[in-house]
Amino acid sequence: QVQLQQWGAGLLKPSETLSLTCAVYGGSFSAYYWSWIRQPPGKGLEWIGEVNHSGSTSYNPSLKSRVTMSVDTSKNQFFLKLSSVTAADTAVYYCTRTPTGSYDDYWGQGTLVTVSS
Amino acid sequence: DIVMTQSPDSLAVSLGERATINCKSSQSVLYSSNNKNYLVWYQQKPGQPPKLLISWASTRESGVPDRFSGSGSGTDFTLTISSLQAEDVAVYYCLQYYSTPRTFGQGTKVEIK
Repeated sequence: QVQLQQWGAGLLKPSETLSLTCAVYGGSFSAYYWSWIRQPPGKGLEWIGEVNHSGSTSYNPSLKSRVTMSVDTSKNQFFLKLSSVTAADTAVYYCTRTPTGSYDDYWGQGTLVTVSS
Repeated sequence: DIVMTQSPDSLAVSLGERATINCKSSQSVLYSSNNKNYLVWYQQKPGQPPKLLISWASTRESGVPDRFSGSGSGTDFTLTISSLQAEDVAVYYCLQYYSTPRTFGQGTKVEIK
């Protein structure tokens, strides 16, 4: 059974960097892309980007200048960094598993990140 | 980017009645080389991550009740709940994975009338 467990700081000040970690349990880490998706409170879903086991990335152009994704294959973990956050980045952030050229089939539990001064 | 537009934004349906949600993409998500539509439907309940219901526009996931069905091709898709149950109250999203960035519809809230 595949499980994604995520964690990170839940409260940030404007201009700080958001950092989240997602650990993968079960299944192959190298066979998939690993993605981040966010959802502002009461709003819809936005794809942030994805990374594979070799570190190859694809980012949403709307966030590309501020996003960095990476992996640690020794721990089956992947990471999201979003720099220069503002209140507009307040959202629940989800990590997901993405088969190549496919959809997000497993999701983490979500982490609420609030940006407030 | 492919824009996904769902309709309606919300709907209220009596228990046991049919609920129909539409999703329209700004360009085709049908991949001609394999004749597959790169579209899924998710169900999201409050405080939970989205749950996958339908993949490839019409393939029901294992364990999903057969009252849920997906149809459509190209740019126009439909999720149908044939007989609404109380546990189906949720927000439903379509997602295209034909191209990056992957994009979601804005969501359709389903409630009991």
